[in-house]
Amino acid sequence: GENVEQHPSTLSVQEGDSAVIKCTYSDSASNYFPWYKQELGKGPQLIIDIRSNVGEKKDQRIAVTLNKTAKHFSLHITETQPEDSAVYFCAASSGAGSYQLTFGKGTKLSVIP
Amino acid sequence: SQTIHQWPATLVQPVGSPLSLECTVEGTSNPNLYWYRQAAGRGLQLLFYSVGIGQISSEVPQNLSASRPQDRQFILSSKKLLLSDSGFYLCAWSGGQLRGYTFGSGTRLTVV
Repeated sequence: GENVEQHPSTLSVQEGDSAVIKCTYSDSASNYFPWYKQELGKGPQLIIDIRSNVGEKKDQRIAVTLNKTAKHFSLHITETQPEDSAVYFCAASSGAGSYQLTFGKGTKLSVIP
Repeated sequence: SQTIHQWPATLVQPVGSPLSLECTVEGTSNPNLYWYRQAAGRGLQLLFYSVGIGQISSEVPQNLSASRPQDRQFILSSKKLLLSDSGFYLCAWSGGQLRGYTFGSGTRLTVV
């Protein structure tokens, strides 16, 4: 089955700096890669996603890049703000035709004012 | 629009007591439904998923069971809780392939 590795497990940045979280996946047939943000005591929320036919997608301060050859994808947050502090999860669809996502173990991002 | 409801928000139960957590989805039909557990500071562990009424797949052997009595209702149960069942339980739904999951707000379960 699919295996998703996520790094780093914790990340601290100064407010205004950029943050990058990286994930690798094992199944070359995976074709959908969402990112979730989980604030303390709440359920994860989808913040951005990318499909395998696209190399990059941006939404304001958030961007995701995908390298299918290397089987890795990354979340980029620019101009970080304290409210960006949360746990971020990457995920990959578990192979072609699958409805199930495999999640990374999460990255705890702390933005220091 | 679609919404997902999960309750209760918090629950404290003694060891050996039964458990029933309920999740309902509104605004869609035939959703894929999921139960996840999250230990403190840890990742998301998939417990059960369902692609239709009465169709339940279990990902890990455990003290829990799941049922889907109606199209948009998913229930997580236990006959006798263990201390190790403590955690943050999340229900989620999806519309199928190439779509993200929408998670509920979660239930914080503490077994004492």
